[in-house]
Amino acid sequence: AQSVTQLDSHVSVSEGTPVLLRCNYSSSYSPSLFWYVQHPNKGLQLLLKYTSAATLVKGINGFEAEFKKSETSFHLTKPSAHMSDAAEYFCVVAMNSGYSTLTFGKGTMLLVSP
Amino acid sequence: DVKVTQSSRYLVKRTGEKVFLECVQDMDHENMFWYRQDPGLGLRLIYFSYDVKMKEKGDIPEGYSVSREKKERFSLILESASTNQTSMYLCASSWLGARETQYFGPGTRLLVL
Repeated sequence: AQSVTQLDSHVSVSEGTPVLLRCNYSSSYSPSLFWYVQHPNKGLQLLLKYTSAATLVKGINGFEAEFKKSETSFHLTKPSAHMSDAAEYFCVVAMNSGYSTLTFGKGTMLLVSP
Repeated sequence: DVKVTQSSRYLVKRTGEKVFLECVQDMDHENMFWYRQDPGLGLRLIYFSYDVKMKEKGDIPEGYSVSREKKERFSLILESASTNQTSMYLCASSWLGARETQYFGPGTRLLVL
């Protein structure tokens, strides 16, 4: 069984300040982990993925995430928020073994104020 | 450029109607997926398919069926629509060897009255 928990349903930041979106996972097997982003009225887009290579993963638009096995976490960060980062972010887990599907978290809405 | 299209952006149907949601991808992907997205619940997998005429149930298949007659097209069918099926429906596709990297369509917002 696998699951993800996004610890915040909403996060508000000011433009230019750091972003932290938190995610904890549970998986019986070695997992693959992802962050997807959904801008208003747009489809979901893959932001970054971890598949058992480097634990620090860099994604698009300056985002990165660190896989911490001891903490079962995969938090998403960005040093400086931009207005265009305002969107909903989903943490996603998939098992590496067998034919697995994606399990999505409930989402974190990122609000960026000027 | 990868593209997943869904037949309608908005749809309004009445309770008891049969509803077809169509999804087409132009990337020759083997895998296709249907999700529903509800506020506070994230995305939940309804059905997926890894080949033509093949289908597998996801987490919430009740009240839905699917059809995949051609590789590029995956249809979601609501046999008898109910108000609790009012939701945003998202289609996605991926290559067989990279099933985790899914490409999503823009979604169909369905309202059942």
